[in-house]
Amino acid sequence: SSVLTQPPSVSVAPGKTARITCGGKNIGSKSVHWYQQKPGQAPVLVIYYDSDRPSGIPERFSGSYSGNTATLTISRVEAGDEAEYYCQVWDSTSDHYVFGTGTKVTVL
Amino acid sequence: EVQLVETGGGLIQPGGSLRLSCAASGFTVSSNYMSWVRQAPGKGLEWVSFIYSGGSTYYADSVKGRFTISRDNSKNTLYLQMNSLRAEDTAVYYCARYHYDSSGYIEDGWFDPWGQGTLVTVSS
Repeated sequence: SSVLTQPPSVSVAPGKTARITCGGKNIGSKSVHWYQQKPGQAPVLVIYYDSDRPSGIPERFSGSYSGNTATLTISRVEAGDEAEYYCQVWDSTSDHYVFGTGTKVTVL
Repeated sequence: EVQLVETGGGLIQPGGSLRLSCAASGFTVSSNYMSWVRQAPGKGLEWVSFIYSGGSTYYADSVKGRFTISRDNSKNTLYLQMNSLRAEDTAVYYCARYHYDSSGYIEDGWFDPWGQGTLVTVSS
């Protein structure tokens, strides 16, 4: 099945901007969704359909695309944003849902 | 409030069977698309299985032929029957409700919300 590659880790100071990338073959033709998972907790949807935010998710979270890379941007990072983040798409080749490799965001 | 609660996890020997349950509240399981996703200890998320509201089912290659997803409409509960369990099936299993935009492709959807998960450990 399709592989979605994310950087293993991103470190960011409070108040700065964190950018998490998700790359994969033909990802530009797919809808990308993003999840936040804090230690010991279930994943929580933070972005769907590339750039839409569910109710209750701060405007600081945004999604975008460029070529074969999707990006989750967290502006004005707070300590509470420290978590693992995963992207997700549908892979039409395998008829499987695929998650990215995950990115651990550390707030310095 | 929409909520999902998984139960049924535990320690099981290789080759054994286990049935996970996911009790839903705040919505009707039979009218929705539902899925199971798992996470091995210290690893990432892996999609396992999917059931359409019409009843069609889909599975990851790693579990096809061994796992069966189903639901009980009267109990508003989703199930995952797991047979011939292997050590590599050890994971936290989450159930999740599936959404998609009706103006787009059904397959382009997302999972929300997720249950709290139940741990399955396959070991002798």
